[in-house]
Amino acid sequence: KQEVTQIPAALSVPEGENLVLNCSFTDSAIYNLQWFRQDPGKGLTSLLLIQSSQREQTSGRLNASLDKSSGRSTLYIAASQPGDSATYLCAVDDYKLSFGAGTTVTVRA
Amino acid sequence: DTAVSQTPKYLVTQMGNDKSIKCEQNLGHDTMYWYKQDSKKFLKIMFSYNNKELIINETVPNRFSPKSPDKAHLNLHINSLELGDSAVYFCASTRTNTGELFFGEGSRLTVL
Repeated sequence: KQEVTQIPAALSVPEGENLVLNCSFTDSAIYNLQWFRQDPGKGLTSLLLIQSSQREQTSGRLNASLDKSSGRSTLYIAASQPGDSATYLCAVDDYKLSFGAGTTVTVRA
Repeated sequence: DTAVSQTPKYLVTQMGNDKSIKCEQNLGHDTMYWYKQDSKKFLKIMFSYNNKELIINETVPNRFSPKSPDKAHLNLHINSLELGDSAVYFCASTRTNTGELFFGEGSRLTVL
């Protein structure tokens, strides 16, 4: 059974600092890994999707890496802004999506 | 233009009642899902349908019954509601083999 762990559970940083969010998974036989953002009371918004054959994906200030063999992914957010405050979830797809519990980020102005 | 829409957004009901949540997607996707997010914010898959066929059915009580009348719709009916059913239920969709998942805004169910 796939288990997905996200560390830390919460993170508070001053504006401008870079964010590093970690995700680990137990079964490396995955199709892809996806990072989502969830704002309070809202649904999930897809940020980045990394296929199993890829090592990273970038979109603007976001960069996500994938090391399938070690069961790890890292989401980097450069030059954080207060608008980046949200919960970030990673999910691995091994025919069904398994989610981590998320990292709640607060960016202080 | 809402991509994945769920109704109702909020639902408050008494124990023992039966309720339904509806989901529609206008993205042309062929796979749809129901997820449950509990009070600890943990998301867990409940069901998945591909082209109206049930392909994932996690360990969910028989009181939960999904129905997919067509590829664009996936509804969730819950019988004999219990306190533990209180959660936010998310519908999601994807196109097979692309992997990218699109979520609805969620339906918050409160059972009193």
